[in-house]
Amino acid sequence: DIQMTQSPSTLSAFIGDTVTITCRASQNINIWLAWYQKKPGKAPKLLIYSASILQTGVPSRFSGSRSGTEFNITITSLQPDDFAAYYCQQYDIFPLVFGGGTTVE
Amino acid sequence: EVQLVESGGGLVQPGGSLRLSCVASGFSISAYSMNWVRQAPGKGLEWISFLPSPGTVSPISYADSVKGRFTISRDDATNSLFLQMDSLRVDDTAVYYCARDRCPRVACYNNGLWGQGTLVTVS
Repeated sequence: DIQMTQSPSTLSAFIGDTVTITCRASQNINIWLAWYQKKPGKAPKLLIYSASILQTGVPSRFSGSRSGTEFNITITSLQPDDFAAYYCQQYDIFPLVFGGGTTVE
Repeated sequence: EVQLVESGGGLVQPGGSLRLSCVASGFSISAYSMNWVRQAPGKGLEWISFLPSPGTVSPISYADSVKGRFTISRDDATNSLFLQMDSLRVDDTAVYYCARDRCPRVACYNNGLWGQGTLVTVS
């Protein structure tokens, strides 16, 4: 199975900061990676798919990038609503695997 | 309104069974591939099962952690997705989410619509 290593597990930041979360795949997954936001008691929300395409309705302060098997999501000018957990998920092959998650606090 | 609503969670003893339901409204569930994803208390998200739409080549798939114990299915008449869970274990305790693929007809394998989840406690 493909392993997805996400870092950091926790990230402390302030409103207005720019933050980056990294996800590394154990093998080539091309661009087949999505990013989700998860808040306690709420459903996950798709932010980015195909490594860098913003889901409809997601603010442009979110962006995604890929370099080989390393993927980043960057949040520019962090807003109060952005404090949450973030998960990457590969969908190149089954099983579909999530990264371990990053909590932005 | 386009939404997914899960139900069927609850408290069950180890070795027991439970059937989760996910009712879709605002769209036809038969047109989309569907997934179940869970989150154990204090843990991350875990994908557990995939049900393809008729136009998708991929087969029904399960995570190794539930393979042989869980069964995903769909009833187009009631516009519902199901997860039959047998031989439940303590480590199956989690909030279970149903999720709709972002793309109709042919799967994109990422999920743009999620339910609010239903809690399953195995104890």
